[in-house]
Amino acid sequence: QKEVEQNSGPLSVPEGAIASLNCTYSDRGSQSFFWYRQYSGKSPELIMSIYSNGDKEDGRFTAQLNKASQYVSLLIRDSQPSDSATYLCAVTSGTYKYIFGTGTRLKVLA
Amino acid sequence: DVKVTQSSRYLVKRTGEKVFLECVQDMDHENMFWYRQDPGLGLRLIYFSYDVKMKEKGDIPEGYSVSREKKERFSLILESASTNQTSMYLCASSTSRASYGYTFGSGTRLTVV
Repeated sequence: QKEVEQNSGPLSVPEGAIASLNCTYSDRGSQSFFWYRQYSGKSPELIMSIYSNGDKEDGRFTAQLNKASQYVSLLIRDSQPSDSATYLCAVTSGTYKYIFGTGTRLKVLA
Repeated sequence: DVKVTQSSRYLVKRTGEKVFLECVQDMDHENMFWYRQDPGLGLRLIYFSYDVKMKEKGDIPEGYSVSREKKERFSLILESASTNQTSMYLCASSTSRASYGYTFGSGTRLTVV
């Protein structure tokens, strides 16, 4: 059974701090990796994608990928209360599908 | 922006009813997916389609069927609704390769009583 593991949280950080979210996956064949943000009662929204080892930055978000260790992480700099949400990690499985983690709930405290 | 539209935001149905959930996307995406999302279980794939009239079972297809007669529309059918099918149902679409990411619809919260 291919799996994606995330700590469910909640992860609480003060406003302005760096939030670090982690994800491990079991399928060594996975090629593409994503982070989705999901606000309570809403659908997931794609915020970052990463395909090769290393870091990818987009504004306050940085995705990090280490295929050898099979983990993906998301750093959120200068965290804001509006970043409070559940963050879902997803990895590709085959040509068409993803496997999703169950998500980490982030709370940014004002 | 890609839009994925689900026909109902909230739905209440009775046990044993046949239920249709509709999803339409407007960006000519080849792939469409139906997931359900439950607390503690995350997103679970029910069915997906990579072309018109093509469908494949996901991880939890039992009690569900799908229809894709046109590229833009993917329907999920609950043949005989049961209370354990009460859930949030999410439709998603993507281009021909999943590596470009999914776009999700706003979801349908289905309650079976």
